[in-house]
Amino acid sequence: DSGVTQTPKHLITATGQRVTLRCSPRSGDLSVYWYQQSLDQGLQFLIQYYNGEERAKGNILERFSAQQFPDLHSELNLSSLELGDSALYFCASSGTGGDNEKLFFGSGTQLSVL
Amino acid sequence: DAKTTQPTSMDCAEGRAANLPCNHSTISGNEYVYWYRQIHSQGPQYIIHGLKNNETNEMASLIITEDRKSSTLILPHATLRDTAVYYCIAPADYGGSQGNLIFGKGTKLSVKP
Repeated sequence: DSGVTQTPKHLITATGQRVTLRCSPRSGDLSVYWYQQSLDQGLQFLIQYYNGEERAKGNILERFSAQQFPDLHSELNLSSLELGDSALYFCASSGTGGDNEKLFFGSGTQLSVL
Repeated sequence: DAKTTQPTSMDCAEGRAANLPCNHSTISGNEYVYWYRQIHSQGPQYIIHGLKNNETNEMASLIITEDRKSSTLILPHATLRDTAVYYCIAPADYGGSQGNLIFGKGTKLSVKP
């Protein structure tokens, strides 16, 4: 158990809909990262938050947004969903988000867009 | 990120050492080498990281060549539960953020009885 909690584990929705994925980092970790893993793309970094502020951005679509709340949990919002958004979405956390830190990953949310 | 090259797949007999190579010839002096693994659709799991010196922890050993252009992850006594995709990553210094890890294809290690 990594200590990172993601909910829900599975999500099935239709094209055009909006969903919210939730992540609770390890106790005390200030940084939260979101990754997307699809069959043809591998693990793709989406975005990082540190103590409530956006710190780094990867290949995140404009239809996607994220935020980190004062209690440090994070949410990833996906809107106007398309079939291609079907993927595993992972959240990870680390202490300060520095160079010499290991990331702890949650077990992921499997999103299926039908 | 420094470009890393790993074999696509490897087999290892249960109980034997698994040696997973990684080439990172473009690595810069301040870039660490990280190893993660992903067991079938689970979240990636941190294994070990190092800069120059060899490192060992309860999971594995990391051997980095003197010129730092390649490294080897060693699982001393592989078990069936070590079957996974192993990722070698050499992230660049993003001013304090190593979150932008670029996971390549990795090496699929199959441990066989």
